[in-house]
Amino acid sequence: KNEVEQSPQNLTAQEGEFITINCSYSVGISALHWLQQHPGGGIVSLFMLSSGKKKHGRLIATINIQEKHSSLHITASHPRDSAVYICAVVTGNQFYFGTGTSLTVIP
Amino acid sequence: GAVVSQHPSWVICKSGTSVKIECRSLDFQATTMFWYRQFPKQSLMLMATSNEGSKATYEQGVEKDKFLINHASLTLSTLTVTSAHPEDSSFYICSALRSSYNEQFFGPGTRLTVL
Repeated sequence: KNEVEQSPQNLTAQEGEFITINCSYSVGISALHWLQQHPGGGIVSLFMLSSGKKKHGRLIATINIQEKHSSLHITASHPRDSAVYICAVVTGNQFYFGTGTSLTVIP
Repeated sequence: GAVVSQHPSWVICKSGTSVKIECRSLDFQATTMFWYRQFPKQSLMLMATSNEGSKATYEQGVEKDKFLINHASLTLSTLTVTSAHPEDSSFYICSALRSSYNEQFFGPGTRLTVL
């Protein structure tokens, strides 16, 4: 069983739609990261969370420590948002990564 | 799911020594591997992209002579931190791209501490 589970694995949306990607984890954590990777590229860190909610532009990330769950929301999605979104949690010296959600936004 | 291992999981070394970190894809072939670094309380930073049989591509600001990358086979990439100094202390993470599925799998990371 993976320590970090993401859903959905693949997501296709029309431009302008509101998008939610979910992440559940089974270990105690000190922080949770949401990462973005465009095809063929390296990873860009979007958020690092340990509690509550963060917002950056059209992106919103929330975390519920008690429920061991985090969500990444994209408002007014755009084709340039097409990428793989990865949830990663940190516990002690260990990173656990989800396998990612592949998002395609169609014009 | 596919597994990527890193060795060692942690290492402590003296300043001036070189440290080699291995990244292996255990059950698939990876023509491309990535190396990342994370400083405490900061997010991941891509250091370089490693392609099997060719030279690695380094991100701006990463010294290629200090961080030597060798991707000699389809299942192994190594990162050597040469003449390590305390400021190189960090968490180093690799990932491997399973190209046939366009999926990326991450290693568990290596904690480097340079004294």
